[in-house]
Amino acid sequence: SQTIHQWPATLVQPVGSPLSLECTVEGTSNPNLYWYRQAAGRGLQLLFYSVGIGQISSEVPQNLSASRPQDRQFILSSKKLLLSDSGFYLCAWAGAGLGNTIYFGEGSWLTVV
Amino acid sequence: GQQLNQSPQSMFIQEGEDVSMNCTSSSIFNTWLWYKQDPGEGPVLLIALYKAGELTSNGRLTAQFGITRKDSFLNISASIPSDVGIYFCAGQLRTTDSWGKLQFGAGTQVVVTP
Repeated sequence: SQTIHQWPATLVQPVGSPLSLECTVEGTSNPNLYWYRQAAGRGLQLLFYSVGIGQISSEVPQNLSASRPQDRQFILSSKKLLLSDSGFYLCAWAGAGLGNTIYFGEGSWLTVV
Repeated sequence: GQQLNQSPQSMFIQEGEDVSMNCTSSSIFNTWLWYKQDPGEGPVLLIALYKAGELTSNGRLTAQFGITRKDSFLNISASIPSDVGIYFCAGQLRTTDSWGKLQFGAGTQVVVTP
């Protein structure tokens, strides 16, 4: 069966420090991968999605970047964190192709201080 | 990003009562999904709907894909304490431009009292 893992689960980082959140998917090949952010309140905002290795699409301009160095690995990064980057970050995956159901990871809490 | 209109924003109900929530959109979708999120965890898929008019049940949960493809509702019957959480609707387009991206509602917070 397919599983998705992301880490770290919680992170407290000072302003201006770098960030790296990792996500891996097991049990599937060539998945579509997504990074969402959930800030205070409840809405989920799509940040990045990827349909293949090295293919990244950004949804909103921001202080973050994403990379997909391997088929089932998706990384969210920042060179210098801002206070506004605090939030709950969720990695998600879906089967290759169009419109397959999206499944979420456990989430990573980031607090920028 | 763009969001769906989900209502109500929150519900305080007694154990055993039924719960109903809905989502509407100005755009049509190919798929409607309903997720539940517990505090500090990722959303978990409850029900997926793929055809206009489709009515699907999962235990005490029932969801329908509106005929116009612009709305969906979720019902929870005979609520129990573990139904507490935030419920999200999500619409999905199956096009090469959208690549299956989800548009989420703002969520419905459900609180169940004994």
